[in-house]
Amino acid sequence: QVQLQESGPGLVKPSETLSLTCTASGGSISRYYWSWIRQPPGKGLEWIGYIYYSGSTNFNPSLKSRVSISVDTSKNQFSLRLSSVTAADTAVYYCVRDPSGTDSGAFDIWGQGTMVTVSS
Amino acid sequence: DIQMTQSPSSLSASVGDRVTITCRASQSISTYLNWYQQKPGKAPKVLIYTASSLQTGVPSRFSGSGSGTDFTLTISSLQAEDFATYYCQQSHNTPWTFGQGTKVEIK
Repeated sequence: QVQLQESGPGLVKPSETLSLTCTASGGSISRYYWSWIRQPPGKGLEWIGYIYYSGSTNFNPSLKSRVSISVDTSKNQFSLRLSSVTAADTAVYYCVRDPSGTDSGAFDIWGQGTMVTVSS
Repeated sequence: DIQMTQSPSSLSASVGDRVTITCRASQSISTYLNWYQQKPGKAPKVLIYTASSLQTGVPSRFSGSGSGTDFTLTISSLQAEDFATYYCQQSHNTPWTFGQGTKVEIK
């Protein structure tokens, strides 16, 4: 069973770019789609976007102008970049296996999440 | 975007109670509806997928039903470990969207 682990800075300054990496272990990220989801403190879940192992992407229109997701299959990793961050981007960020192409059609494998705070 | 609306937003219940949470989609999503449980400080965990299929390892006291726009998650006999926040999520169209959550608290 694949396990996911997020990594990256826990503090980002306003107007800068948030960068996170998700490393998969126990299996290959090839053949599946991989998503980023975030959760502001005390609030609900927001899907950010996904990437297929081949590199094709799909983003939430609410964030599309600021988001990019990339994949490195040689390292079994995929990464999130969110530009021009504000305090509203403060959240726990999860990397997750996307529903697309899975038997369940659900987000079935989650990382533990990493808290990112936007503050000067 | 498909809007997902859960009710209630929170509820208080006792161990042994039957608990029902509803989720309504802003348009028909067939049975592309999933339910998740989230405990404080933890990632969500899928309980039910495609409206009524129980994820492997999830206790049978959890069940889901519905199709189209109206869905239900039922816990037949609430256990201590079930106190958590529950989210519905649609996988019909991107952007994938979640309900606002239902917090199940101890009465």
